[in-house]
Amino acid sequence: KAGVTQTPRYLIKTRGQQVTLSCSPISGHRSVSWYQQTPGQGLQFLFEYFSETQRNKGNFPGRFSGRQFSNSRSEMNVSTLELGDSALYLCASSLSGPGGFETQYFGPGTRLLVL
Amino acid sequence: GDSVTQMEGPVTLSEEAFLTINCTYTATGYPSLFWYVQYPGEGLQLLLKATKADDKGSNKGFEATYRKETTSFHLEKGSVQVSDSAVYFCALSVTGTASKLTFGTGTRLQVTL
Repeated sequence: KAGVTQTPRYLIKTRGQQVTLSCSPISGHRSVSWYQQTPGQGLQFLFEYFSETQRNKGNFPGRFSGRQFSNSRSEMNVSTLELGDSALYLCASSLSGPGGFETQYFGPGTRLLVL
Repeated sequence: GDSVTQMEGPVTLSEEAFLTINCTYTATGYPSLFWYVQYPGEGLQLLLKATKADDKGSNKGFEATYRKETTSFHLEKGSVQVSDSAVYFCALSVTGTASKLTFGTGTRLQVTL
C-alpha cells in the first residue's frame, strides 16, 4: 500500500505571497492532520480534517487554512507569507473514526523557505 | 494544557551501548503515548506506542513502559547501532482530540563506531 505523499517536496516563496501544499493520504484513511516543524518551536499541530470537515485546530493564525476533498486528499494554504513560516510541513493520515485514535502515518514533508 | 518534556540532546553513544531517553508528560485526560523517530531528510515514523498504564510498547529492540504514577514513558534500547542515529520524539494524544499529537522537542541520538 502506498504511503502518504506530499507535494511539492520543496518550495521557495517570498514574503507576502501565498502557498498551497498538498497531501494524499494512505488509501482508505479518512483523517488527515497537518503539523509545522521548525527548529525553534518544534512540531506543532495545525489542524485535522475528517470526512471533509475540520475536526481539530491548533493555535495558528487565520492565515493558515486547509480543506479536504471527497477522496480524502487535503490541501493547506498559507496566505501573506512571513519569514517565520519557513518550516517543514508534515501531513499525517489515519483511519481515525470518531472518538478513537489510530496510528498516524506521516509523509516526508514539504520544506517551505520564505525569503 | 497538555505537554511533553524530553531530555535535551544530543546524546552521543558508542555502538552497543545502552540507551535511555527520558520522557515525562502532563495531560488533562488519559493519554496514549508514542515514540516517533525521524531520520535525516525524512518524515516521522512511529516507533512504538502504549495506550494504557503499565503497557509496554516495543519495536526493533526499543522499549518504553507507560508509567502513570510517574507520568513517564522513557525509551530504552539495550544495544544501539549506528543505524539508530536519528531524532526521537515522544508524543501524546488524549481522548476527544485523538488525532492531535502533542510532541516533545526531540532528542538527537548519534551513535559512533
